[in-house]
Order: sequence, then C-alpha cells, then structure tokens
Amino acid sequence: DAMVIQNPRYQVTQFGKPVTLSCSQTLNHNVMYWYQQKSSQAPKLLFHYYDKDFNNEADTPDNFQSRRPNTSFCFLDIRSPGLGDAAMYLCATSRGTSGSDEQFFGPGTRLTVL
Amino acid sequence: AQKVTQAQTEISVVEKEDVTLDCVYETRDTTYYLFWYKQPPSGELVFLIRRNSFDEQNEISGRYSWNFQKSTSSFNFTITASQVVDSAVYFCALSEARDNFNKFYFGSGTKLNVKP
Repeated sequence: DAMVIQNPRYQVTQFGKPVTLSCSQTLNHNVMYWYQQKSSQAPKLLFHYYDKDFNNEADTPDNFQSRRPNTSFCFLDIRSPGLGDAAMYLCATSRGTSGSDEQFFGPGTRLTVL
Repeated sequence: AQKVTQAQTEISVVEKEDVTLDCVYETRDTTYYLFWYKQPPSGELVFLIRRNSFDEQNEISGRYSWNFQKSTSSFNFTITASQVVDSAVYFCALSEARDNFNKFYFGSGTKLNVKP
C-alpha cells in the first residue's frame, strides 16, 4: 500500500545530542511537511518542501533543520535537542500545493529528551 | 486570531449515542477548504473529509455526517451510533487558496471518549 513511513516510531536522545528523524513516502507526492505536535495540542508546521524548494515557517527555531535528498525521503535534524523539543513529530505529504490537496500523514515519531 | 476553533476539548459518550463535534472557522477568503482528520491513540492523522467553500451540501458517509454552514462559519461533524473504535482526537483544519501553498490551520482538537 502506498503510504507515509516514519522511522523510528520512538526515539530517545540526550539533552544536546543531535538526532535525525526520517520520513519516506511511496505516494510520489511533490510536497513533504514536518509538524511538531506536543501533548494535547494541534500539529504545528515546522517547514515543508515543494520538490527541492525548502520553505521554513517564520517561528521555527534554527535548531531544526531538514533535508530532502530525493522525492521519496525527507529528514528532520534537531541539532541540539532541549527538553522542550520532546514531542511527536509528524511527517506529511501532499500531491501539490493547491488548497484542496489533502495531506497524508505518517504515524509519527515520538521523541523523548533526557 | 485563531482561524479554527474547536471549543469542545473533550467529550465522553456511551456507545450508540450520537455525538456532534463543533468546528468554527475564520477567513476572509472566498475560496477555502475545510478538512476533518481523526487521530487515534496510535498517532497517525487519518483524513476523513474535505469540503470546498462553494459546496455547502451536507455529506453523509456511513455513520459520519458533516454539516457545513457558511452563514455561521461552521463545519460540524456528527457521529451516529458511536462505537468504541471512534475514540480518538478529531481535528478540524482550514486551508486558504490564497496561500502559496496549502498550509493547514488546525483547530486544537476534540478528544472523543466512547465508553462501552
């Protein structure tokens, strides 16, 4: 089945230790998104790629970076995780950037920072 | 200002009861899109429905129905004869066509607990 896959599902890191979360998709969608979702809150968009064009949300901290080496894969790098970065990280894709394009979400990676 | 408001933080019902989840949105655009997503405990957001601003017809899909009213800027979601498997957090989202990409403005979500 075509889908959005996130690995790992659970990630534990230490305060200040860089961590990378990965996302892959078999939908061949042009757009990939990274969201941060804290407990009992709505998902918060961090950035998105349209093809290779990177678009950062204005309030996304510099601590968060992303890479998209090809259509299928996208990575979220947290350079120096703080305790406040503990959250669920959701990857999503959409066919295009039309307002009507629904976003397809992966199962998320739950990040714990010790 | 919040673009999407889901005033109900948490709702508890007993199985087989009907339940309505409210969603109120705010936009100046004439063309926009509204979505509902379900987030079960496993974490993945599951797409339920999309509605564009020009289509005010209500929609029914099995036990699910949606009531879109532009006059009150609402897009409410009703589950008929609820089941335990309906327990999840439900998010309403707005996408505005004038954005250069389809940024979703999510509401804060409503947690639905369906008890046997």
